[in-house]
Parts: sequence; C-alpha cells; structure tokens
Amino acid sequence: GQNIDQPTEMTATEGAIVQINCTYQTSGFNGLFWYQQHAGEAPTFLSYNVLDGLEEKGRFSSFLSRSKGYSYLLLKELQMKDSASYLCAVRDLYNAGNMLTFGGGTRLMVKP
Amino acid sequence: DGGITQSPKYLFRKEGQNVTLSCEQNLNHDAMYWYRQDPGQGLRLIYYSQIVNDFQKGDIAEGYSVSREKKESFPLTVTSAQKNPTAFYLCARGQGGPNSPLHFGNGTRLTVT
Repeated sequence: GQNIDQPTEMTATEGAIVQINCTYQTSGFNGLFWYQQHAGEAPTFLSYNVLDGLEEKGRFSSFLSRSKGYSYLLLKELQMKDSASYLCAVRDLYNAGNMLTFGGGTRLMVKP
Repeated sequence: DGGITQSPKYLFRKEGQNVTLSCEQNLNHDAMYWYRQDPGQGLRLIYYSQIVNDFQKGDIAEGYSVSREKKESFPLTVTSAQKNPTAFYLCARGQGGPNSPLHFGNGTRLTVT
C-alpha cells in the first residue's frame, strides 16, 4: 500500500515564501504530483517530479528526494489568491491504471 | 473545462434512491477515473477505466457502480447501498503515460438526506 503525509494546515504572510512538505511510502515509486485546489473547485495540476532535484515553474517549485521519500512544494512571493489546499499525489509502478494516490492535502491560508 | 465535463454541479437526493453522476470527455483519452472527496480530506479512488467496456474497482468501490460503453463517457451510479454518499465527486481523465497528470472535471457535490 501507500502512505502519504502532509501537514493539515499552514499559515503564511502575503509576499513571503512557504514550503509545504510531503512524505510518502510506496513499493514502486513512479512519480509525484502536486495539485492546487480552491474550496469547492477541482484540483488543478501544478508540478511533476520523478527524478531527484528541483523543478521550477515561475513562483512555484517542487523538490523530490526519492531516497528519503520526501517532496516539498515551494511557493514564493505569496499572493492572497494562493490561499487554497495543496495536494501531494504519488503514482505507483505496481498499480495498474496509472491512478494517483493522494495525501490529505495541506490547507494554506495567506494573510495580508 | 479542460476537456472533461461533469454534471450536475449540485445534486440532492433522498436516502434510498440511486443517483447517477455524469462525466464526459472530448479529448479521446483512454483512461478515466472517479474519486470521492470528503470535507478537509484528500481524494479516494472509487473506480477507474482504461479502455471501453472495461473498468476496475478502486479503494472504496462498495456501494458504487460504473459503466464505460463509450470512450467519452464514464457515468458513476451511487447506489442505496453506499452508507455515506454525501460527498464531493470528482471525475478525471488521463492520457495513460506514467508521467502524465490526471485532469479533473469541476466536480459534483452530492447531498443525500
């Protein structure tokens, strides 16, 4: 099976930097995805990591360490609209169907 | 809509009734998925389908049924056997490659009273 852990809630200030961590345990790691989900809306894809290291996309970056079963999503220059839940999801090589297994999500509140 | 449409957005039913949620995609993708989300929680997989006329159970399939008669359509029926049907239901499409993300529809919020 898979186990994915994220903090439940985080608070940060507009303009600051925040790091959202995700740890996972899986038998056949085959990629990690980050999604953003505003309340009552669908999750939208942010980033994908399958090799160790940092992937940067504008204000958002995602890091992966496969040996540690660890990833983080880094949000820079926080804006009020970044207040949302951030979902970490893992794909397992041994799961047929390429489905994703999701963590519980981290609700980020950005304050002025 | 990202090539995938769910309807309706809100649905209300009485306990004991079956209800069917619609999911349609127009990008000719093979893989489709149904997830359930409860308040403050992550997504849990109900069913998925990789090809027409074939589907597989996910982690929480009990009380649900699906069909995949056409590539573009993957409806989910919430039956009266589902003990806690009130939830946010999300349908997703996937291109099938290991590095391809899932793309979600806008979801259906089902309330059963």
